[in-house]
Amino acid sequence: QQQVKQSPQSLIVQKGGISIINCAYENTAFDYFPWYQQFPGKGPALLIAIRPDVSEKKEGRFTISFNKSAKQFSLHIMDSQPGDSATYFCAASVMRSNFGNEKLTFGTGTRLTIIP
Amino acid sequence: DTAVSQTPKYLVTQMGNDKSIKCEQNLGHDTMYWYKQDSKKFLKIMFSYNNKELIINETVPNRFSPKSPDKAHLNLHINSLELGDSAVYFCASSRGSGYTFGSGTRLTVV
Repeated sequence: QQQVKQSPQSLIVQKGGISIINCAYENTAFDYFPWYQQFPGKGPALLIAIRPDVSEKKEGRFTISFNKSAKQFSLHIMDSQPGDSATYFCAASVMRSNFGNEKLTFGTGTRLTIIP
Repeated sequence: DTAVSQTPKYLVTQMGNDKSIKCEQNLGHDTMYWYKQDSKKFLKIMFSYNNKELIINETVPNRFSPKSPDKAHLNLHINSLELGDSAVYFCASSRGSGYTFGSGTRLTVV
């Protein structure tokens, strides 16, 4: 049972363009939605995250848009650069007051390629 | 001064062998995890520990046994390795929101 669905599986964007990756979740208990960036041979690294009490969060060229009613969230990368070429994972979890994050449920990943 | 370090980085072994992967974090985090990334890059949690206590144990064969001697270390021992165990295993730690992942151990069973 895939609780977090991610699309597209791969994405090619021209340098300077906008990269958009979408995720949808099923579990309404999720209350923490991070995006991770993974380069070959490396572990995933936290890029940006959002809680469901806001509809948008921006950090530099990266923006998360969140639609609670539709149970969807997306990552927008503005002015995409070749250095952004990586695999991107959305994820969701339930924050627990005693232990912090519960397990992260990951999407299936999007391989992003930025071409010059 | 790597935040989450795993050893070894690569592990090639024969079917039926027993192997261990070690993980250490110097971030002072309370919770540590093992995740498995398969050949299609899908990441799935295996275990989590909080202050040496097992919190999450997903549907993992009991050939996999985690051990946390202290809250900075979480090791993974795998008995009777099978071809299907070939994957990249990631250790991670967290306190509150946000995980920090190690760089992974690529396990190849031949």
